[in-house]
Amino acid sequence: GENVEQHPSTLSVQEGDSAVIKCTYSDSASNYFPWYKQELGKRPQLIIDIRSNVGEKKDQRIAVTLNKTAKHFSLHITETQPEDSAVYFCAASRGEDYKLSFGAGTTVTVRA
Amino acid sequence: GAVVSQHPSWVICKSGTSVKIECRSLDFQATTMFWYRQFPKQSLMLMATSNEGSKATYEQGVEKDKFLINHASLTLSTLTVTSAHPEDSSFYICSASPQTHQPQHFGDGTRLSIL
Repeated sequence: GENVEQHPSTLSVQEGDSAVIKCTYSDSASNYFPWYKQELGKRPQLIIDIRSNVGEKKDQRIAVTLNKTAKHFSLHITETQPEDSAVYFCAASRGEDYKLSFGAGTTVTVRA
Repeated sequence: GAVVSQHPSWVICKSGTSVKIECRSLDFQATTMFWYRQFPKQSLMLMATSNEGSKATYEQGVEKDKFLINHASLTLSTLTVTSAHPEDSSFYICSASPQTHQPQHFGDGTRLSIL
């Protein structure tokens, strides 16, 4: 099955700085890579996703890059704000409506 | 749109009790729903894929007789934790896609505490 590894497990950044989270996956058949933000006790919220036919996608302060050859993808958050503090999960799947394999999560803390 | 509702949001019960959790797609039909489990400060682990009108597909290591899944309609899947024990205490969360090739939406989750 799919194995998704995520690093770092914790990340502390100064407000206004950038945050980068990296993930690798093992299943070459995976072609959909979403990123979720989860606040304590709440549901995961999709913040951005990318499909394997695209190398990069950006949405305001958030961007995701994908290197299909190396089987790794990354989340970039620029100009971080305190409300960006949460746990972020990467995931991989064979399709948007297919089961998701999640990374272990990264706890991001933005210091004011 | 694309709302997934889960009920109850929190349940506390005694060891040995069976607990049913509902997952509903409120404004779309879902032939497939997914059930995940999340222990404190850990990731979401897929338990099973719920298929409308047929048997659920369980992930390796998940006891199908322990975690009964029923997907009797296109808008409702239920997960029943049978004879629950303290080690079953966890956050259970479901998801579904509103359409083919559309991202999954998650329910609010159910926090299960077994005393």
